[in-house]
Amino acid sequence: EAQVTQNPRYLITVTGKKLTVTCSQNMNHEYMSWYRQDPGLGLRQIYYSMNVEVTDKGDVPEGYKVSRKEKRNFPLILESPSPNQTSLYFCASASSAEQYFGPGTRLTVT
Amino acid sequence: DQQVKQNSPSLSVQEGRISILNCDYTNSMFDYFLWYKKYPAEGPTFLISISSIKDKNEDGRFTVFLNKSAKHLSLHIVPSQPGDSAVYFCAAKDNTGKLIFGQGTTLQVKP
Repeated sequence: EAQVTQNPRYLITVTGKKLTVTCSQNMNHEYMSWYRQDPGLGLRQIYYSMNVEVTDKGDVPEGYKVSRKEKRNFPLILESPSPNQTSLYFCASASSAEQYFGPGTRLTVT
Repeated sequence: DQQVKQNSPSLSVQEGRISILNCDYTNSMFDYFLWYKKYPAEGPTFLISISSIKDKNEDGRFTVFLNKSAKHLSLHIVPSQPGDSAVYFCAAKDNTGKLIFGQGTTLQVKP
């Protein structure tokens, strides 16, 4: 089954404790992206990757890092999480304009 | 500044009637528009799209209309069904391939 998977689905952590949210797709897509969804703001792009070893900032990259060492994986790294990064995070992949989204990761930073 | 706007946070319609969800954009360089549907605890799923060179695209109960002069697109669902209750996001693609999303509209279809 073609899909985008994210782990963990839910995470509660404390300020400053480094964390990684994994994302994997099995569709051999070159393009991958991370979004955060906040009430009243829709989906905002954090980082994206056009291909392996190629990453670029989206609209809200501050406080986040990504890497793309393999085509299928695109982890999101929060080196020092802060409460304003409490949000719902989605990973997506695409081969054309239509993007396929993962199920989401709800992150709470206290 | 929000380049893609969905000005109605919510919409409630009766089962069997038409649902019309609206979206406005500011960038005339957008070349492709998409609608996504999102259920609670799931990721958004692609619903329907339209190229900027067209003014209408239809897929079953779903039709998207594009008015380029007004920089406006709309999604029509007819007839609406309770299973259509979800959050709907419109998105526009720019010439770099980036998707820019609206804030979303929560549709409730009442039986």
